Amino acid sequence: DQQVKQNSPSLSVQEGRISILNCDYTNSMFDYFLWYKKYPAEGPTFLISISSIKDKNEDGRFTVFLNKSAKHLSLHIVPSQPGDSAVYFCAANGSWGKLQFGAGTQVVVTP
Amino acid sequence: GAGVSQSPRYKVAKRGQDVALRCDPISGHVSLFWYQQALGQGPEFLTYFQNEAQLDKSGLPSDRFFAERPEGSVSTLKIQRTQQEDSAVYLCASSTTGGGQPQHFGDGTRLSIL
Repeated sequence: DQQVKQNSPSLSVQEGRISILNCDYTNSMFDYFLWYKKYPAEGPTFLISISSIKDKNEDGRFTVFLNKSAKHLSLHIVPSQPGDSAVYFCAANGSWGKLQFGAGTQVVVTP
Repeated sequence: GAGVSQSPRYKVAKRGQDVALRCDPISGHVSLFWYQQALGQGPEFLTYFQNEAQLDKSGLPSDRFFAERPEGSVSTLKIQRTQQEDSAVYLCASSTTGGGQPQHFGDGTRLSIL
């Protein structure tokens, strides 16, 4: 069963605007959440994470929000840049590090 | 470099052959993970090592899949009698500890079974 879901397979955003990526999960035991970015033919690259005891974490242009009651998290990228065009994966950790991933969202940043 | 290194990057094998995929984790990383990624999907967990101990192999699809990390550093994922459904990208990741720390991924091995 898919415990982490990214319901938007793709997102197109103009350069300079905000990108908002969404992720939903079903397992309330998940206690650590991560976002990864992936370019073609490369492995996923860690972007930002958040512990379940927080509701927001910020790192430069990237901010992750966690809503535990809704079992929802989102990634905001502001401002979006052409180099942000990639596939973004949401992942959740319930125990000792085993990650469960969503199917990914393809982001395209247009000039 | 200082990242996770995987070899080979690409592997083509005929159905029924055995293959071995290698992972060199980041030096000093205790935890090592293998994932399988099918086209258009997110990575799916296969197995987990803490040092040389394989603590979870619940994601291995069948007994044709075998992983080892004998000295607590380099790991090998072996697939025996390969089938077409084994075609995927196999990703290795390592982290300093198990939970609560980001995993750092290699670029993967793309396995194609003909």
